[in-house]
Amino acid sequence: KAGVTQTPRYLIKTRGQQVTLSCSPISGHRSVSWYQQTPGQGLQFLFEYFSETQRNKGNFPGRFSGRQFSNSRSEMNVSTLELGDSALYLCASSSLLTDTQYFGPGTRLTVL
Amino acid sequence: SQQGEEDPQALSIQEGENATMNCSYKTSINNLQWYRQNSGRGLVHLILIRSNEREKHSGRLRVTLDTSKKSSSLLITASRAADTASYFCATVPNGGATNKLIFGTGTLLAVQP
Repeated sequence: KAGVTQTPRYLIKTRGQQVTLSCSPISGHRSVSWYQQTPGQGLQFLFEYFSETQRNKGNFPGRFSGRQFSNSRSEMNVSTLELGDSALYLCASSSLLTDTQYFGPGTRLTVL
Repeated sequence: SQQGEEDPQALSIQEGENATMNCSYKTSINNLQWYRQNSGRGLVHLILIRSNEREKHSGRLRVTLDTSKKSSSLLITASRAADTASYFCATVPNGGATNKLIFGTGTLLAVQP
């Protein structure tokens, strides 16, 4: 089975812009979770989508949003980018049969 | 905010030696997982231990869990240069969402050849 894929791998944006990141889960996995990793705050949970519905949400401002499509692919969007949004954004997928999350390689976002 | 604190923050050992990393967490958990991350890339799941388990093995990995002390340890035996990476513990709090992992601060392991 192909692993979790994320596109793009690298992104450079300027403050005030918005960005959309994409995640394709492992075939058959219906849950997709997103995490932000920064040197200062570490790995933090953003949100989880399951069957096109947001099932869980972390403590991030409303500028961070996401959605999931009927094929389980997920996108996350960050509007009005701030310097502090520079981070590695990781998505993970999982199935109902396991508690294990499988992570993609991440998208490294740099905000200038 | 992070649930877990890991100790040490960084560890340097020689190939063939054992490496031990510790994780402490704050609230009661459903399970605890260990992940490896190579140089700012994706996370690789290593092992999951449930709250009713005390020890688990997988290849060269041994994980222990002490729920009374709210702590876990990861032992990597006979380390190799390829084990060089950051290691994170992650917990699912009791009653929490299965896929909402709360990560520790991580241990950076360097294995010198």
